Amino acid sequence: NAGVTQTPKFQVLKTGQSMTLQCAQDMNHNSMYWYRQDPGMGLRLIYYSASEGTTDKGEVPNGYNVSRLNKREFSLRLESAAPSQTSVYFCASSEGAGENWEKYFGPGTRLTVT
Amino acid sequence: RKEVEQDPGPFNVPEGATVAFNCTYSNSASQSFFWYRQDCRKEPKLLMSVYSSGNEDGRFTAQLNRASQYISLLIRDSKLSDSATYLCVVTSEEYGNKLVFGAGTILRVKS
Repeated sequence: NAGVTQTPKFQVLKTGQSMTLQCAQDMNHNSMYWYRQDPGMGLRLIYYSASEGTTDKGEVPNGYNVSRLNKREFSLRLESAAPSQTSVYFCASSEGAGENWEKYFGPGTRLTVT
Repeated sequence: RKEVEQDPGPFNVPEGATVAFNCTYSNSASQSFFWYRQDCRKEPKLLMSVYSSGNEDGRFTAQLNRASQYISLLIRDSKLSDSATYLCVVTSEEYGNKLVFGAGTILRVKS
């Protein structure tokens, strides 16, 4: 099992460009999440999908959109990138949506917006 | 005030030492507590859950103090491989009881 995979690993964008971060999991998990991690701050939840067909906003959803394409895949889209979106983005999955289910994280995407 | 606060460190300790980290949380209604470990430039991984009665996993002991709203992690007999950032994580009623992560405490174990 590959676990949670993310593409790309690194990306540099110019302000105003758009891009989609891809995430896939092969553990048959129901719930998937997108977090961002900035220096000196904890991981912050951007969006989550408790189950296939549902998505909900997290703590910092502005400037992002998500799509739960199927049970395996959960993508994050930046429509018009801004320097404030420079961050490391982690996708995660868990078997259930409750807080006691262990979260499995992907290796991260390092995004720089110039 | 941040919902979860940790001393960023770094804690520099020799191999074999015992080291302890504390973490305070602001929401008295938080129900679940965890420690995650994150190696440099890697993803976070669950280290252990923290139960009200305290719990131990080998060299690692986690404790919860609800009255003072803090959780702790004790590492005994530190190994070089314990060098990492330790993330304190609690649940928050806001955002549907999702996890709130602290910024982490850096541990460096030296030979």
